[in-house]
Amino acid sequence: KAGVTQTPRYLIKTRGQQVTLSCSPISGHRSVSWYQQTPGQGLQFLFEYFSETQRNKGNFPGRFSGRQFSNSRSEMNVSTLELGDSALYLCASSQTTGNANSPLHFGNGTRLTVT
Amino acid sequence: GNSVTQMEGPVTLSEEAFLTINCTYTATGYPSLFWYVQYPGEGLQLLLKATKADDKGSNKGFEATYRKETTSFHLEKGSVQVSDSAVYFCALSDNNAGNMLTFGGGTRLMVKP
Repeated sequence: KAGVTQTPRYLIKTRGQQVTLSCSPISGHRSVSWYQQTPGQGLQFLFEYFSETQRNKGNFPGRFSGRQFSNSRSEMNVSTLELGDSALYLCASSQTTGNANSPLHFGNGTRLTVT
Repeated sequence: GNSVTQMEGPVTLSEEAFLTINCTYTATGYPSLFWYVQYPGEGLQLLLKATKADDKGSNKGFEATYRKETTSFHLEKGSVQVSDSAVYFCALSDNNAGNMLTFGGGTRLMVKP
């Protein structure tokens, strides 16, 4: 069974640009969550989508947005990039939501560098 | 709000040494607790979990017990290997908040042969 796939693996953007990251969950998984990982702030929850609906949102500005498609694939978008958005963005999928017996499976992440 | 505090690293041990990584949490209600491991260049992998007080999670020789009285979930392993070198994250989920996890800052473990 294929794991969680994130594309691209690496991305370099300029301040002020926008970026779209993609995540393909494990087949059959309906929940996709996004996390930002930085050396200073650690791992922070961005948002979760379940059956195409945003279920939860972390404490990030409106420049960060996401969506989920009917096939459970998800994208996140960051507009007007800032230097501080440089991070590893991790996507995680699970079969359902809010169930500790349905664990999160993480992708290898997209490394975004903003110059 | 919820928070997780874990010991800062790096933790450097010799092969076959005993490992403890401390983790304490603050949460309302009865969260589920997790340990995740991250190897270089990879995402996170679930190592073990516990969903209620006094539960013991275990996997690959690692263990952690959910202690509600001390709000702790310390990770232990009796004999570490070089291949255990990685960053370990303690995390909690509020059972009313979907798949939103609150993570600790991570502890880097380095095991020397």
